[in-house]
Amino acid sequence: GDSVTQMEGPVTLSEEAFLTINCTYTATGYPSLFWYVQYPGEGLQLLLKATKADDKGSNKGFEATYRKETTSFHLEKGSVQVSDSAVYFCALNAGKSTFGDGTTLTVKP
Amino acid sequence: EAGVAQSPRYKIIEKRQSVAFWCNPISGHATLYWYQQILGQGPKLLIQFQNNGVVDDSQLPKDRFSAERLKGVDSTLKIQPAKLEDSAVYLCASSSYIPGTSGGESSYNEQFFGPGTRLTVL
Repeated sequence: GDSVTQMEGPVTLSEEAFLTINCTYTATGYPSLFWYVQYPGEGLQLLLKATKADDKGSNKGFEATYRKETTSFHLEKGSVQVSDSAVYFCALNAGKSTFGDGTTLTVKP
Repeated sequence: EAGVAQSPRYKIIEKRQSVAFWCNPISGHATLYWYQQILGQGPKLLIQFQNNGVVDDSQLPKDRFSAERLKGVDSTLKIQPAKLEDSAVYLCASSSYIPGTSGGESSYNEQFFGPGTRLTVL
């Protein structure tokens, strides 16, 4: 069946550091790929998405590129802020929705 | 635009009791999802509806869980009888659907999540 594997957390960074959260997937068909974010005390919300190979999703300084050859969708940000502290979920949808287990990011001033 | 509504927000019951959750998706969204999220884990899909038909319920424990989406709008998820391990947050989400073009595959829009129902089974 479909699956999503995220790098294990938690991840702690200093402000302005570079962020990478790895995500790899297995799926049949042509999945759409997503990163969702859950800020403390809030619900899940979309951060960015890509619907076909080589697409790059971007939002709020975050980016991720749909790599079909490596079945990956790694999340990156060049300079993190304290306000980026949250739980990040990689997900796919190929007719059925599958989420990773999430990566907790803490950014310290 | 109104978001996904869920009720109740919190529920505490004893094991072997029954409980029901309600979800009202965003108007016009054909696809509705119910997830179970246990603390420290990602959301696990329980059931996915396309209009009022079931697309996937392979991870729904059918001996105790049931869900319906009459008229293709609101949905209810029921647990009867509850077990201790059912303690979790139950999330409802909805999305619109992008049909495939000729020769191409369908793609899937983002999901909009409700606030969730936190269930505690004692």
